[in-house]
Amino acid sequence: AQSVTQLGSHVSVSEGALVLLRCNYSSSVPPYLFWYVQYPNQGLQLLLKYTTGATLVKGINGFEAEFKKSETSFHLTKPSAHMSDAAEYFCAVTKSGGSYIPTFGRGTSLIVHP
Amino acid sequence: GAVVSQHPSRVICKSGTSVKIECRSLDFQATTMFWYRQFPKQSLMLMATSNEGSKATYEQGVEKDKFLINHASLTLSTLTVTSAHPEDSSFYICSARDGAGANTEAFFGQGTRLTVV
Repeated sequence: AQSVTQLGSHVSVSEGALVLLRCNYSSSVPPYLFWYVQYPNQGLQLLLKYTTGATLVKGINGFEAEFKKSETSFHLTKPSAHMSDAAEYFCAVTKSGGSYIPTFGRGTSLIVHP
Repeated sequence: GAVVSQHPSRVICKSGTSVKIECRSLDFQATTMFWYRQFPKQSLMLMATSNEGSKATYEQGVEKDKFLINHASLTLSTLTVTSAHPEDSSFYICSARDGAGANTEAFFGQGTRLTVV
């Protein structure tokens, strides 16, 4: 079975500061990993995904994430937070050759202070 | 990217009535759509997988007679909450993929906020 753990239900940063949202996964086979963002009362939007190839993945809005197999991690980062980044972020995993239904982490709420 | 449209975005209904939520894939065909329920400050809980032309597959603990799913065409799936009660109040989100592989992203509707009074 696959699972996702997002450490920290809330992360608070100042505008302009580094954003780091943590995601660890568990999968018996090579995983496919996704980060989604959800704004209030809206659906989810894909930020970035890792399938194969380069382990450092760049996404929209200046976000990037690095797949580290040895650490079973896929942490999301952004060098400089903007007020508009305040939202809920979900890490998700599917697995190659297996179920295509993503397993979501519980989400991390990013709070950006002026 | 592909677009999934969900309607209505908000609905308030009286206890005991039924509510239908529509999910459409606007620019691709989706043989499979997914229905999620999201409680405040929590993750998405998969309710069921909707398959075009066949019965939906419900997750354990989800009442199939209460949450009726119909996937009549390759671009439309509906979720009907029957005999709604206040505990059914929640945020419901549909999702679809435009490919079959596990490496394809899911596209989400904008969600429906259901309030049962």
